[in-house]
Amino acid sequence: NAGVTQTPKFRVLKTGQSMTLLCAQDMNHEYMYWYRQDPGMGLRLIHYSVGEGTTAKGEVPDGYNVSRLKKQNFLLGLESAAPSQTSVYFCASSRLAGGWDIQYFGAGTRLSVL
Amino acid sequence: AQKVTQAQTEISVVEKEDVTLDCVYETRDTTYYLFWYKQPPSGELVFLIRRNSFDEQNEISGRYSWNFQKSTSSFNFTITASQVVDSAVYFCALSEVRYNQGGKLIFGQGTELSVKP
Repeated sequence: NAGVTQTPKFRVLKTGQSMTLLCAQDMNHEYMYWYRQDPGMGLRLIHYSVGEGTTAKGEVPDGYNVSRLKKQNFLLGLESAAPSQTSVYFCASSRLAGGWDIQYFGAGTRLSVL
Repeated sequence: AQKVTQAQTEISVVEKEDVTLDCVYETRDTTYYLFWYKQPPSGELVFLIRRNSFDEQNEISGRYSWNFQKSTSSFNFTITASQVVDSAVYFCALSEVRYNQGGKLIFGQGTELSVKP
């Protein structure tokens, strides 16, 4: 019963490096989300996807790109990492959209950019 | 604009004490959903409860209870007879209702609860 799986769990980058965070869900959910969690700020939505092949910007999209080539996977990319992107990243998925459905979260990826 | 405020940054209690976590929200929507999530030290977010704006009935689940009051825009969470395993960060969240769009969750800042033996 995996649910939402995020890889890697931890990563350290140098400023300017790139990386991709992978999110995989096995619940056949249509909707997927990427959030970042910063101290004292709760979680903020970066990008989301309402279905395979579609993505949309959330509250804090700058510096990130996403892709949803397969329904079960949602990738978050950092092309040129900056220290301000040091954060904990969470992926979530939900069966339905509209805001009323429960979002199920992965365990998070802790990223440090030096 | 939608906003969720959890004014209590940290709370520390002794085991078996009751504790209430406050959540105040702002929205212009008449239809919305409220959620509570728990983030234990292991880091994952665990769903606790969902409540829609038309249902003001309080809910009890074991030692957990929730009080939703539209008149004060509050959705408070009470843990009765707290236990060490309740130690976690608790998030309150508000969701817009946007048909056929991703459901954006607006989170509060979180309240870190520490239950000491």
